[in-house]
Amino acid sequence: NAGVTQTPKFRVLKTGQSMTLLCAQDMNHEYMYWYRQDPGMGLRLIHYSVGEGTTAKGEVPDGYNVSRLKKQNFLLGLESAAPSQTSVYFCASSGQYGGGGQETQYFGPGTRLLVL
Amino acid sequence: QQPVQSPQAVILREGEDAVINCSSSKALYSVHWYRQKHGEAPVFLMILLKGGEQKGHDKISASFNEKKQQSSLYLTASQLSYSGTYFCGPSRAGGGADGLTFGKGTHLIIQP
Repeated sequence: NAGVTQTPKFRVLKTGQSMTLLCAQDMNHEYMYWYRQDPGMGLRLIHYSVGEGTTAKGEVPDGYNVSRLKKQNFLLGLESAAPSQTSVYFCASSGQYGGGGQETQYFGPGTRLLVL
Repeated sequence: QQPVQSPQAVILREGEDAVINCSSSKALYSVHWYRQKHGEAPVFLMILLKGGEQKGHDKISASFNEKKQQSSLYLTASQLSYSGTYFCGPSRAGGGADGLTFGKGTHLIIQP
């Protein structure tokens, strides 16, 4: 099992360019999440999905869009990148919620994005 | 609203104990604890559920006070491998399927 993988690992963009970050999981998890991590701010939730074909906004969704066309993939898009979106982006997934510990979130290795 | 973690940073000698606290202004269903080493992804440590017992993992344990909406992480006889940033992630009443709201983290440095 690869767990959660993210593509690319590192990217440099110019202001105004667009890109898509890909997250894939092979654990058959229902739930998937995109977080961004900035120095001193911890992890902040951008968007999440509770199942194939569904998405919802998190704490800091502005400037991002997401899609979950397949259960195993969760895409994060930046339509017009801004320097404020320079960050480390983590994808995570988890199984069913039921109070039995299935809520554990498994994180991918992260994507480092620099917007100039 | 992010939970508040304290302290922000702590430096210990190997073998010493540490306590990291996490407070939320909202009613909680559960609290997750994660550890992140520099340049790596966060890794799950444990989850505490409402009404559940205190949990432990090796020499790391945690408690959850539902009424006070607080959780504490206890590191006993710390080892060098415990160094990293610790995050708490409370989930709201009804479950956490809508993601976790993490605290800003507590940086723990263990010195030999």
